[in-house]
Amino acid sequence: GAVVSQHPSRVICKSGTSVKIECRSLDFQATTMFWYRQFPKQSLMLMATSNEGSKATYEQGVEKDKFLINHASLTLSTLTVTSAHPEDSSFYICSATRAGGSREQFFGPGTRLTVL
Amino acid sequence: AQSVSQHNHHVILSEAASLELGCNYSYGGTVNLFWYVQYPGQHLQLLLKYFSGDPLVKGIKGFEAEFIKSKFSFNLRKPSVQWSDTAEYFCAVNAGNSGGYQKVTFGTGTKLQVIP
Repeated sequence: GAVVSQHPSRVICKSGTSVKIECRSLDFQATTMFWYRQFPKQSLMLMATSNEGSKATYEQGVEKDKFLINHASLTLSTLTVTSAHPEDSSFYICSATRAGGSREQFFGPGTRLTVL
Repeated sequence: AQSVSQHNHHVILSEAASLELGCNYSYGGTVNLFWYVQYPGQHLQLLLKYFSGDPLVKGIKGFEAEFIKSKFSFNLRKPSVQWSDTAEYFCAVNAGNSGGYQKVTFGTGTKLQVIP
């Protein structure tokens, strides 16, 4: 159990367009989901924490109007990169914790975003 | 604020050699500690975790880690590595408390290459 999926796995878009990435917990309810960004040869950088039914908490330096996060249900969170630019190209990873469970995070496989 | 240091960025070992990857954290209070592994082309998976109790924690695939509170360390060990252990290893810390959820901070990762 504790499987997290992301869709799409890879996306290429033109500069100025918006891209939506979905994160789903397939076999458990996730009260909290996290969005990370992983740069080449670097660690995961937490972008924001989202709790179902409430506004996401963004880390310092992350533009909330550019990276829109919606956690509409206990199994789905979405990250929308608005007006994407080439510097937004990165690997975006989500994770989730179980409702009522431990603090262990279960990670999705990631989404590779390339902005041309 | 919590932080995590992994001093070894790239480690190359021959099969059957012993492994120890260093992890130090900075946080004065109660912590939860994790080691995650990312095999080539795969997503992050939990190797082991420490929440409380016995400071020597055993994980999957023969890995173990020891929490030494006085040294703020949580080093990962394996007595005899295999080629299949080639991966990137991330140490992570989460400041534990009784209420709410604190973010997990990741180290920069250590790439392990095992030579057959």
